[in-house]
Amino acid sequence: DADVTQTPRNRITKTGKRIMLECSQTKGHDRMYWYRQDPGLGLQLIYYSFDVKDINKGEISDGYSVSRQAQAKFSLSLESAIPNQTALYFCATQGSANEKLFFGSGTQLSVL
Amino acid sequence: GQNIDQPTEMTATEGAIVQINCTYQTSGFNGLFWYQQHAGEAPTFLSYNVLDGLEEKGRFSSFLSRSKGYSYLLLKELQMKDSASYLCAVRRDDKIIFGKGTRLHILP
Repeated sequence: DADVTQTPRNRITKTGKRIMLECSQTKGHDRMYWYRQDPGLGLQLIYYSFDVKDINKGEISDGYSVSRQAQAKFSLSLESAIPNQTALYFCATQGSANEKLFFGSGTQLSVL
Repeated sequence: GQNIDQPTEMTATEGAIVQINCTYQTSGFNGLFWYQQHAGEAPTFLSYNVLDGLEEKGRFSSFLSRSKGYSYLLLKELQMKDSASYLCAVRRDDKIIFGKGTRLHILP
């Protein structure tokens, strides 16, 4: 089983719909991140969390919200999806500040 | 990505050596990662540099100069499977910010 699991793997939705992307991990890591990747580009940081009570905005948080329900779960929501939010979304975990990121397999989201 | 600069694309020949450069703003810098990413897949970790100098790991090496805000990834004995994007990521304060990545094409 994967250590970092993202659901769903693919999602097609319509403009204006609310959508939630989920991430769960079995690594016992406190640090979790959400990134989006547009075709041919690098990863942009949306939100990150270092604890259940800790939520921090990244580079491009507008239009997104997150929930850290437990150490193992970090969900990303799009309150009202728009077409330019079509992208590949990655969740990642990290054990401590100097350790590498462990990525989920990604969620491909298409907003029509 | 907050002034993390890498070349967009590079091309090299199988068996050769290629160096991928990354420059970044030094404020709040705590460390630099390199990741490899094949199309449609998650990034995979290659290296992490905190101190100045060269770290070698098999065919891949990574160099850091903190004072110059500069790093490079050196790939030796290139293989076709090395065709991928290479992402430079900076640990700035508590955040990890990625550059736009360098797409590396390997020619036979």
